[in-house]
Amino acid sequence: DAKTTQPPSMDCAEGRAANLPCNHSTISGNEYVYWYRQIHSQGPQYIIHGLKNNETNEMASLIITEDRKSSTLILPHATLRDTAVYYCIAVNTNAGKSTFGDGTTLTVKP
Amino acid sequence: GAGVSQTPSNKVTEKGKYVELRCDPISGHTALYWYRQSLGQGPEFLIYFQGTGAADDSGLPNDRFFAVRPEGSVSTLKIQRTERGDSAVYLCASSLTANYGYTFGSGTRLTVV
Repeated sequence: DAKTTQPPSMDCAEGRAANLPCNHSTISGNEYVYWYRQIHSQGPQYIIHGLKNNETNEMASLIITEDRKSSTLILPHATLRDTAVYYCIAVNTNAGKSTFGDGTTLTVKP
Repeated sequence: GAGVSQTPSNKVTEKGKYVELRCDPISGHTALYWYRQSLGQGPEFLIYFQGTGAADDSGLPNDRFFAVRPEGSVSTLKIQRTERGDSAVYLCASSLTANYGYTFGSGTRLTVV
């Protein structure tokens, strides 16, 4: 699996967009970008994934650069409940395991 | 069930004892994963099952750790001769197919004293 790099922490004001970056410069053509988040004392929760096109669902949007070396997870209107650790991982669907880094701790402030 | 169920939610054991951690995946999910997570760190891969077989056990730290999934649904992670360094949250996840998108359980917090 390609290594991903994320900032250790970020703050965001409640109601504003939270933009969480992820660098995956060594990603290969068959690896998807997946995002999960983990709220204290719970297991990680799937948010969104994509290969090369931008994706949007009810939780977030995922913007992947054309060269696929980086991506940004966008929470359009952050709430206090979005405070969590966000993980970006590169997933090879031909392999079983996925490698998590230490993620970004997002703190949404009132 | 509606989600991935892990039991027990908390386990305290003495150093040297044997423990079993259970994972009940989402019905119909063929892939099952075990991860463990230490405080302040991301989940660390342990083992991956596709059906009944362990397709990748490269993350098991040593031979004290073993996992089974005999009927392709429930899985048990077994730890022999527990050590204090085994203390962590053990997470189980399942997915429809390999790496489709995990659904995690809430984990078992293992404390070895």
